Amino acid sequence: AQKITQTQPGMFVQEKEAVTLDCTYDTSDPSYGLFWYKQPSSGEMIFLIYQGSYDQQNATEGRYSLNFQKARKSANLVISASQLGDSAMYFCAMRELRQAGTALIFGKGTTLSVSS
Amino acid sequence: NAGVTQTPKFRVLKTGQSMTLLCAQDMNHEYMYWYRQDPGMGLRLIHYSVGEGTTAKGEVPDGYNVSRLKKQNFLLGLESAAPSQTSVYFCASSYFGSTDTQYFGPGTRLTVL
Repeated sequence: AQKITQTQPGMFVQEKEAVTLDCTYDTSDPSYGLFWYKQPSSGEMIFLIYQGSYDQQNATEGRYSLNFQKARKSANLVISASQLGDSAMYFCAMRELRQAGTALIFGKGTTLSVSS
Repeated sequence: NAGVTQTPKFRVLKTGQSMTLLCAQDMNHEYMYWYRQDPGMGLRLIHYSVGEGTTAKGEVPDGYNVSRLKKQNFLLGLESAAPSQTSVYFCASSYFGSTDTQYFGPGTRLTVL
């Protein structure tokens, strides 16, 4: 069965520092996608970054990068040069790709607090 | 281009009342989903639809019904609300595709007394 684990309930970082949010996953499907979403206090879910299981390179989107270690089944989100606006809940999610349109399985989230 | 919208944003119900949550998307997406978010639980899938006229059960479907009469709309119904259905409800939609990123609406906060 699919499973996403985020072991850090809360993380604290100072502005301009980098931070890594951990995510491990479990699936028996060789074809899957990994996603990170940001949920600020206003409540909306904002898509950040995607990594496919067959992608050779780690995904990057601006200050976000995904440290994908397939053998370890980990997909950690790295935020470089943290900003106050990065304070939010971050969710790791996975979808098996054998069947299009199947649901995302979410982890329980990590709360990131950025201080000045 | 409004993306995914949800109506209403907030609602308070009494136990046993019924209501319908509306989700609309203007991105011509085939797939639509309803999730609920509870504290400490992350998001869990209630029902989903892979196209107009089709629906399927997700992880936590009991107590909910859905309909997809038009491609752009996905309705979530509670026939007899219970306090356990107090939650934040998110709608999402996606294209048919390999990456299939799901885009979320702003959420509906429902309280059942």
